[in-house]
Amino acid sequence: AQSVTQLDSQVPVFEEAPVELRCNYSSSVSVYLFWYVQYPNQGLQLLLKYLSGSTLVESINGFEAEFNKSQTSFHLRKPSVHISDTAEYFCAVSDPPLGGSEKLVFGKGTKLTVNP
Amino acid sequence: ETGVTQSPTHLIKTRGQQVTLRCSSQSGHNTVSWYQQALGQGPQFIFQYYREEENGRGNFPPRFSGLQFPNYSSELNVNALELDDSALYLCASSPGARTTEAFFGQGTRLTVV
Repeated sequence: AQSVTQLDSQVPVFEEAPVELRCNYSSSVSVYLFWYVQYPNQGLQLLLKYLSGSTLVESINGFEAEFNKSQTSFHLRKPSVHISDTAEYFCAVSDPPLGGSEKLVFGKGTKLTVNP
Repeated sequence: ETGVTQSPTHLIKTRGQQVTLRCSSQSGHNTVSWYQQALGQGPQFIFQYYREEENGRGNFPPRFSGLQFPNYSSELNVNALELDDSALYLCASSPGARTTEAFFGQGTRLTVV
């Protein structure tokens, strides 16, 4: 079974600083990978996903993530964060990797707090 | 195009009671998946319904059950509630039994006392 490890439970940063939220997954085969964001008292919103092709994927609000198969990682980065980016971020992998009745396997989440 | 809606948003139940949570899928989506998110944890897969049939189940006991209706809306039922069932319950709908196009609702916060 797939598993996801988010290495940092909390990440505090100052506004306009760069940030990286780390994610590692267990599978050695190709998988679908996702980052979701959860604002307080809300559901999950898809931030970006990797299905195939270019290993660098971008979101519309300046986040990007790079799929690294050899390191089984899918770290999320933003070069300059805003106060409004304060939220919890979840990395997820599809299980089974590429077919069948898929479910998402989530990490435990990283709370990003952007301070003024 | 409507999104995924869940009801109620919050509820409080007593240990041993039964609860029903509801989810209306996004227009055009025939698959609904349910997840449980305990406090401080990531969501965990409960089960998935595709065209009114259960299409996969996570590691949850049989007292967690579900239904999907012809209009693809869905219910999650939990019997004999335990304190550890307190969580945010999330519903996700998708066009087909695949996660790549899943959209989540706002969730139902269940508190068991």
